[in-house]
Amino acid sequence: EAQVTQNPRYLITVTGKKLTVTCSQNMNHEYMSWYRQDPGLGLRQIYYSMNVEVTDKGDVPEGYKVSRKEKRNFPLILESPSPNQTSLYFCASQTLDSYNEQFFGPGTRLTVL
Amino acid sequence: GIQVEQSPPDLILQEGANSTLRCNFSDSVNNLQWFHQNPWGQLINLFYIPSGTKQNGRLSATTVATERYSLLYISSSQTTDSGVYFCAVRGGSNYKLTFGKGTLLTVNP
Repeated sequence: EAQVTQNPRYLITVTGKKLTVTCSQNMNHEYMSWYRQDPGLGLRQIYYSMNVEVTDKGDVPEGYKVSRKEKRNFPLILESPSPNQTSLYFCASQTLDSYNEQFFGPGTRLTVL
Repeated sequence: GIQVEQSPPDLILQEGANSTLRCNFSDSVNNLQWFHQNPWGQLINLFYIPSGTKQNGRLSATTVATERYSLLYISSSQTTDSGVYFCAVRGGSNYKLTFGKGTLLTVNP
């Protein structure tokens, strides 16, 4: 089954404790992206990657890092999480064909205390 | 960047009623998708519809790209249709999806 998976799905952590949210897709997509969703602010892009070893900032990259060492994986790293990073996070992927849909993972609900 | 406006912001229906949700966007698009966010927060992809009309069961969607709007029709609504419906668009060479603020649909039994 074609899908985007994220782990963990739920996480409660404390300020300053480094964490990684994994994202993997099995559709051989070149493009991958991270979004965060917050009440009243909607979904905003954090980082994106056009291919292996090619990453770039989205609209709200502060406090996050990413890497793209393999085509299928695009982990989101929070080196020193803060309470304002409490949010619902989505990973997405698609081909670089312009006329194609973007597939989303199930979401990761993160709470930073 | 592209602006996306959805209406209405909230909608309350009785089970069995029909509804139309609207999405207006400010520029030409390569991609338009409709999503349903369920109570567990998952984004369920309903339609990929940059132009034309599609149907899937009780749901259908129409995008008129030249007039920069899309409509999502829900017929014979069920309580499981409750949740937030998002329209998201992408234009130009940027692959980022820009989401509207959503329509919160509540279907009462």
